Amino acid sequence: DIQMTQSPSTLSASVGDRVTITCRASQNINGWLAWYQQKPGQAPKLLIYKASTLQSGVPSRFSGSGSGTEFTLTISSLQPDDFATYYCQQYNTYSTFGGGTKVEIQ
Amino acid sequence: QLQLQESGSGLVRPSQTLSLTCAVSGDSINSGGYSWSWIRQPPGQGLEWIGSIYQGGNTYYNPSLKSRVTISEDRSNNQFSLNLNSVTAADTAVYYCARDSGSHGGGFDFWGQGTLVTVSS
Repeated sequence: DIQMTQSPSTLSASVGDRVTITCRASQNINGWLAWYQQKPGQAPKLLIYKASTLQSGVPSRFSGSGSGTEFTLTISSLQPDDFATYYCQQYNTYSTFGGGTKVEIQ
Repeated sequence: QLQLQESGSGLVRPSQTLSLTCAVSGDSINSGGYSWSWIRQPPGQGLEWIGSIYQGGNTYYNPSLKSRVTISEDRSNNQFSLNLNSVTAADTAVYYCARDSGSHGGGFDFWGQGTLVTVSS
């Protein structure tokens, strides 16, 4: 099984901050990685797929990068609507989610 | 606009079978290049992929759940279903159905609102 490890698990930040979340896979996932945003009581929302492709309608302040086993999600300037929990997901072999990163107000 | 809606029992007794259905509107589950999936989230915890059904009826399951899971499709009603047998309290979760965009890039691009299933006597 492919394990996905996200860090940090919690991140305190302010509006306007640049935020980076890391996701590490236990083996090469060939770039088959997605990022999601989830707010309380809501289903997750797809932000990025294939490691760096922005899903339609997602603001350009979100970006993804990485390859092999290490990937990052960056929010260039944190907005009030961005306080949420973020998950990575590999879909190279079946599907596995990371444990999540909660972005909270500092 | 594609919409997915879960339905089924919100309370299941231990050792019984959890059964949920996902009704799809706005597109056909036979659309090429997509698969249809179940994902769950225990209260206060992270996401766990349960399994997926592909065009043609092929299914893939999370190895940790494979012995207890069945996902099936009902093309005439444009819906797909989840059966999880021998449930315990550990299966208490919000269950989501979702579309996997597969050959269109990957990632779960449309989700249902989720339904809470509690396993309790």
